[in-house]
Amino acid sequence: KAGVTQTPRYLIKTRGQQVTLSCSPISGHRSVSWYQQTPGQGLQFLFEYFSETQRNKGNFPGRFSGRQFSNSRSEMNVSTLELGDSALYLCASSLRDRAYNEQFFGPGTRLTVL
Amino acid sequence: DAKTTQPNSMESNEEEPVHLPCNHSTISGTDYIHWYRQLPSQGPEYVIHGLTSNVNNRMASLAIAEDRKSSTLILHRATLRDAAVYYCILPGITQGGSEKLVFGKGTKLTVNP
Repeated sequence: KAGVTQTPRYLIKTRGQQVTLSCSPISGHRSVSWYQQTPGQGLQFLFEYFSETQRNKGNFPGRFSGRQFSNSRSEMNVSTLELGDSALYLCASSLRDRAYNEQFFGPGTRLTVL
Repeated sequence: DAKTTQPNSMESNEEEPVHLPCNHSTISGTDYIHWYRQLPSQGPEYVIHGLTSNVNNRMASLAIAEDRKSSTLILHRATLRDAAVYYCILPGITQGGSEKLVFGKGTKLTVNP
């Protein structure tokens, strides 16, 4: 079974631009969560989507948004990029058919904002 | 979200057992204890989880204290590939019914050859 894939793997943008990152979950998984990882703040939860609905959102500004499609693939968008948005963005998928499903992480997208 | 406390770093020698401790004194009766690890330049990967009794899988063992206020992840024979940051997590269930992993700083495990 193919794992979680994320595209692109690396991205360089400039301040003020916007960016869209993509995540394809493991086949059959309906839940996709997004996390941001920085050296200073560590891994922080951004949001989770399940069956095309956002179920929970972390403490990030409204510039961070996401969506999920009917095939469970998910995208996250960051508008008006700031230098502090430079980070590794990870997505994780899970079955979410019972409490405390194991989450499977992708390799991440490394975003650099110049 | 229930908080966990882990040592910042630990060292081990290859082929020796490693015991990674985690304190979670504010754990509730329904909180599962999860362990994930993150190898260099990779996303986190699930290691093991448990509720009350000790658990074993092909990667590790999880020993849970009787009062559930602490747990220990046991790697029976550390290899160089086990060098990673290990996270002890008590996933919270949000209002929306979703599960949220709240990562702390974790324990950076160094394995010496």
